[in-house]
Order: sequence, then structure tokens, then C-alpha cells
Amino acid sequence: AQKITQTQPGMFVQEKEAVTLDCTYDTSDPSYGLFWYKQPSSGEMIFLIYQGSYDQQNATEGRYSLNFQKARKSANLVISASQLGDSAMYFCAMRGSGAGSYQLTFGKGTKLSVIP
Amino acid sequence: DTAVSQTPKYLVTQMGNDKSIKCEQNLGHDTMYWYKQDSKKFLKIMFSYNNKELIINETVPNRFSPKSPDKAHLNLHINSLELGDSAVYFCASSQNARTPLGNEKLFFGSGTQLSVL
Repeated sequence: AQKITQTQPGMFVQEKEAVTLDCTYDTSDPSYGLFWYKQPSSGEMIFLIYQGSYDQQNATEGRYSLNFQKARKSANLVISASQLGDSAMYFCAMRGSGAGSYQLTFGKGTKLSVIP
Repeated sequence: DTAVSQTPKYLVTQMGNDKSIKCEQNLGHDTMYWYKQDSKKFLKIMFSYNNKELIINETVPNRFSPKSPDKAHLNLHINSLELGDSAVYFCASSQNARTPLGNEKLFFGSGTQLSVL
């Protein structure tokens, strides 16, 4: 079974500053995938970034980067140069590779508010 | 063209009624899912089908019944609706959940907000 923990219910960041959203995970699978999704107030779920457990480098996608520390079982999302449109809920999720690991397991989310 | 489309977007109904939510994906994916997002925004898997085969059947009331007529469609039927069923229901799809790697990205529909009065 997989478990995702997001300890920050809410975060504030000044526009144009960088912000880190925390995510820790737990799994016994030898390989796994870690994902971040964004949910703006309009409700849709938007995929942001993916990190595989055996990837040598941290994933980056534009202003998003994933600070992956395997030994610490953490996969923090870093958003650089925050914009007002980044205000949203952010979900960390993971999928294992073991038998029966067919779905993404989500954390409880972090609500990010960008202040002008 | 919307990749994963679900209808209706809003569903307001009385307790005790039966309702269905439909979902279709045009991505050619083999796997489809239903997730429930509660009032605290927590997303929980309910069901998943892979090529019309049920592969995830979480502990949900048996008033909820998924149906997959083909791999591009996954519908959710709910009998005898209760107040606690009020939530946002998301349909999603992925390439093939049976692949051994953990890199199955989910593509989500826009959600159906169900309100039971």
C-alpha cells in the first residue's frame, strides 16, 4: 500500500517568489512514480510533473521542479517565480509497481495562495 | 476535442433518487477510473476498469455500480442517493494500469458536482 503525506494545509507566497510544497511518501514497492497535480478553483485536475523512483535527475517542467530525496522519501514541488494564476490546490500522488498497484494514491493537498 | 469528458457537470437531485454519470475518453487508453473528492478535497479511488475488466473495487456502498460497455466508456450509476453522496466525482483514464512501471499518468475529466438534497 502507498501513503502520501502533505503536511501543509495552506501556504502563502509573494508574487515572483519561489515556494516549496512538501510531500513525503511511504511504499514498499521497489519502483514507483510520483506525481503532482494542480486543481484551480475551476475544479479541473491538471498534471504538472512526474518523477520516477529510478530517475537519476530531478524532474523539471518549466517553472516546476521536483526536489526528489529518495532516502528521505520526499518529493517536494518547487514553483519558481510564482504567479497569481498559481493560486490553487496542489496534490502529490504516487503509484507503485507491485501487484495491484493500479491507481494513483493522493495526499490531502496544499492550498497555495499567491499574494500580489 | 476534450480528452476525457464526463456528463453532467452538475447534478442536483433528491434523496432516494437514482442517477448516472457518464464518462468517455478519446485517448485510446485501456484503463479508466472513478475518483470521489469529498468536501475537504480528498481524492479517493472508487473503481477502475482495464479493457472492460474491473480491476479496482474499493470499499464503497453497493449502491454505486460502475459499468464499462467498452474501453472508451465508464459510467457510474448510483441508486438510492443519500446526503453523504454529495461530492465531486472525477473520471480519469491512463494508458494501461497493468504495466509494471509506476509512470501511469492520469488524465482527468472536469468532474461532476453531485448535490443530494
